[in-house]
Amino acid sequence: SQKIEQNSEALNIQEGKTATLTCNYTNYSPAYLQWYRQDPGRGPVFLLLIRENEKEKRKERLKVTFDTTLKQSLFHITASQPADSATYLCALGGGTSYGKLTFGQGTILTVHP
Amino acid sequence: EADIYQTPRYLVIGTGKKITLECSQTMGHDKMYWYQQDPGMELHLIHYSYGVNSTEKGDLSSESTVSRIRTEHFPLTLESARPSHTSQYLCASSEFYREASPLHFGNGTRLTVT
Repeated sequence: SQKIEQNSEALNIQEGKTATLTCNYTNYSPAYLQWYRQDPGRGPVFLLLIRENEKEKRKERLKVTFDTTLKQSLFHITASQPADSATYLCALGGGTSYGKLTFGQGTILTVHP
Repeated sequence: EADIYQTPRYLVIGTGKKITLECSQTMGHDKMYWYQQDPGMELHLIHYSYGVNSTEKGDLSSESTVSRIRTEHFPLTLESARPSHTSQYLCASSEFYREASPLHFGNGTRLTVT
């Protein structure tokens, strides 16, 4: 069955450093991958989309890579700030999923001042 | 700012009661979804709809039912709540014709069944 694993349940970094979050998947050939941010008590909010034929996408301080050979996506937040503290979810879709996404369990990021 | 609304935000109810979780969106999206999320766990799709009068069960088996009589409204009903139904329920919507269209989520209903 499809399986998505996000690195370590929690990641703690110092303000100003780059946070790198990992999303690995097995038994799946996604056409695209999305990253979401979720704050406590709130629904996830879409951040970035990357398709299988794209290696890298950027948006302001965010960068995502997608390696279909390694079956892995990396999500980077540069110059991190305490306000970036949240849970980050990766989600895979495509093929016969018709818009339905399969989510990972998320990584809790805490940026310390 | 989310244009998808869920009510109630919190619900504590006794075993055996019938409940309906409301979800409405003002974006005119054809696709709507219900996900279930337990603390620290991934979101699991329990129901989805591609338009009016279209409903399908998701990957996670659920005793709940849904209806889609209007584009903007996608309520979820539990006929007889049980403690095992305690969870957070998230409603989402997306555009139909855009491939890889992102999901827009509501802020969820946290259900506790005692």
